[in-house]
Amino acid sequence: DIQMTQSPSSLSASIGDRVTITCQASQDINIYLNWYQQKSGKAPKLLIFDASHLDPGVPSRFSGSGSGTHFTFTINSLQPEDIATYYCQHYNHFPLSFGGGTKVEIK
Amino acid sequence: EVHLVESGGGLVKPGESLRLSCSASAFIFSDFGMTWVRQAPGKGLEWIASIVPSGTDKYYADSVQGRFTISRDNIKKSLFLQMNTLRVEDTAVYYCARDPCRSAKCYLNSWGQGTLVIVSS
Repeated sequence: DIQMTQSPSSLSASIGDRVTITCQASQDINIYLNWYQQKSGKAPKLLIFDASHLDPGVPSRFSGSGSGTHFTFTINSLQPEDIATYYCQHYNHFPLSFGGGTKVEIK
Repeated sequence: EVHLVESGGGLVKPGESLRLSCSASAFIFSDFGMTWVRQAPGKGLEWIASIVPSGTDKYYADSVQGRFTISRDNIKKSLFLQMNTLRVEDTAVYYCARDPCRSAKCYLNSWGQGTLVIVSS
């Protein structure tokens, strides 16, 4: 089974800051990597699929990159509404799995 | 607008069973893979089961294999999760989610609001 390791587990940043989250897969998953945002008490929301493709309607300050085993998720210019926990998820093969999550807070 | 609504959650004792439902609307249900994801209180997301559009292929996490069964009724536009021999560690919010790929192994671009299952004696 593929393990997804996210880091950091939490971070605090100021409004306008650039925020970067990494996700490491335990084996090569090509570009089969998605990123989700989950706000407190709400269902997750897809932000990025196939490592770098923005889901329609998602603000362009969100971006993703990477392939193979190392992936990066970036928020350019953090906004108050970006306070949430972010998860990566692979879909290289079943079983699917999520990273442990990164909680983003405002400094 | 795509709409997914889960139901059937509640409080049960260890060893008991529960059946969750997910009602879909505003999209062609039979064209999409469907998935159940759960989240224990204060914890992260855990994928537990997926089913292809036709219902013929089903996939499970080891943690629920043999106890949970995913199924669907494309006529009624509904997804189900039959949960047997429930354990305390199955306590979680259960989400149904839509996958646009026929393999049911892609990305989850619509989610329900979740239904809470509590397993406690």
